[in-house]
Amino acid sequence: AQKITQTQPGMFVQEKEAVTLDCTYDTSDQSYGLFWYKQPSSGEMIFLIYQGSYDEQNATEGRYSLNFQKARKSANLVISASQLGDSAMYFCAMREGWGGATNKLIFGTGTLLAVQP
Amino acid sequence: KAGVTQTPRYLIKTRGQQVTLSCSPISGHRSVSWYQQTPGQGLQFLFEYFSETQRNKGNFPGRFSGRQFSNSRSEMNVSTLELGDSALYLCASSTDYWRSYNEQFFGPGTRLTVL
Repeated sequence: AQKITQTQPGMFVQEKEAVTLDCTYDTSDQSYGLFWYKQPSSGEMIFLIYQGSYDEQNATEGRYSLNFQKARKSANLVISASQLGDSAMYFCAMREGWGGATNKLIFGTGTLLAVQP
Repeated sequence: KAGVTQTPRYLIKTRGQQVTLSCSPISGHRSVSWYQQTPGQGLQFLFEYFSETQRNKGNFPGRFSGRQFSNSRSEMNVSTLELGDSALYLCASSTDYWRSYNEQFFGPGTRLTVL
């Protein structure tokens, strides 16, 4: 069965510094997709970045980048130049049943990031 | 383009009652998924619908049911509410389910409190 593990329940970072949020995954599939979502206190899940298992380059979206190490089965999120508005819960997720069977996402337990001024 | 809307945003019910939550996906999206989020269990998949057909169902009791209408709007129903049903219920929409990369857009959620 597929599983996502986020081992950091909470993290602090100083404003303008970079921070790495860890995510490891377990799957027997060769093809899969990994996602990172941000959830502010308002509750809405905001899509940040996506990495496909066959993508040769690490994904980047503005200040977000994904450090994808396939052999280690890790997909860490890197936020550069942290801002106060980055304070939120961050979830790593994997799409189950790659190949068009479903949109179902399996989520990790999340990391609560607090950005300090 | 309007995002995913969920109504109501907040709901308070008592044990034994039933509740219906609504989700309107982004215009043109035909796939809707539901998730339950609790502090203890985290985010758990409830159901997935596409073109009025349930494609996938999570490991929840039969008290949880859902449906999708021809306009892609979806509802989920929880009968005989229990205290443990208190949660944030999130709806996500996407265009389809067969593409390798398919971004899902989430709504703001409905926060259900069962007393």
